[in-house]
Amino acid sequence: AQKITQTQPGMFVQEKEAVTLDCTYDTSDQSYGLFWYKQPSSGEMIFLIYQGSYDEQNATEGRYSLNFQKARKSANLVISASQLGDSAMYFCATSGGSYIPTFGRGTSLIVHP
Amino acid sequence: GAGVSQSPRYKVAKRGQDVALRCDPISGHVSLFWYQQALGQGPEFLTYFQNEAQLDKSGLPSDRFFAERPEGSVSTLKIQRTQQEDSAVYLCASSYQGAPQHFGDGTRLSIL
Repeated sequence: AQKITQTQPGMFVQEKEAVTLDCTYDTSDQSYGLFWYKQPSSGEMIFLIYQGSYDEQNATEGRYSLNFQKARKSANLVISASQLGDSAMYFCATSGGSYIPTFGRGTSLIVHP
Repeated sequence: GAGVSQSPRYKVAKRGQDVALRCDPISGHVSLFWYQQALGQGPEFLTYFQNEAQLDKSGLPSDRFFAERPEGSVSTLKIQRTQQEDSAVYLCASSYQGAPQHFGDGTRLSIL
């Protein structure tokens, strides 16, 4: 079984600044994946970034990077140069070998000018 | 369209009625997932298909919930004898392989 903990219910950041969204996970699987998704107020879930448990390098996708610290079971999302369009709910998720992600409760990010 | 399509976008039903929610995945996508998202919560896994085979239905909350994907493309999630606690957004996602990458806009179900 997998579990995700996102302790920040809400975060505020000024436009063009960087922000880190926290995520810790718990899994009994040796091989697992870590995901981040974005859900704007329109409701559509958007896949952002993926990290495999055996990947040695932190995953990056454009302005998104995943700060993976395996020993701490931490998979924080870093958004550089925040934009107003980044305002949304952000969900961390983890999957074992089944590829079925278990989601956290999410963090609300508001980017203000 | 090129994305995952879900219909209806909104559904209102009276308690006790049956409802059917449809998901049209991206063409060629093998994997299809259904999630239930209650207000203010993260999505909760319901069921997973690989082509027409339902490989995991461990998340279905009761035997009132049934999902099928008979030809390995379109999937239908059916809820019988709906109850108020079934009110939620139902998300469908697909991928060519592995974990879900493409989600639909969801069906918002309200049970009165």
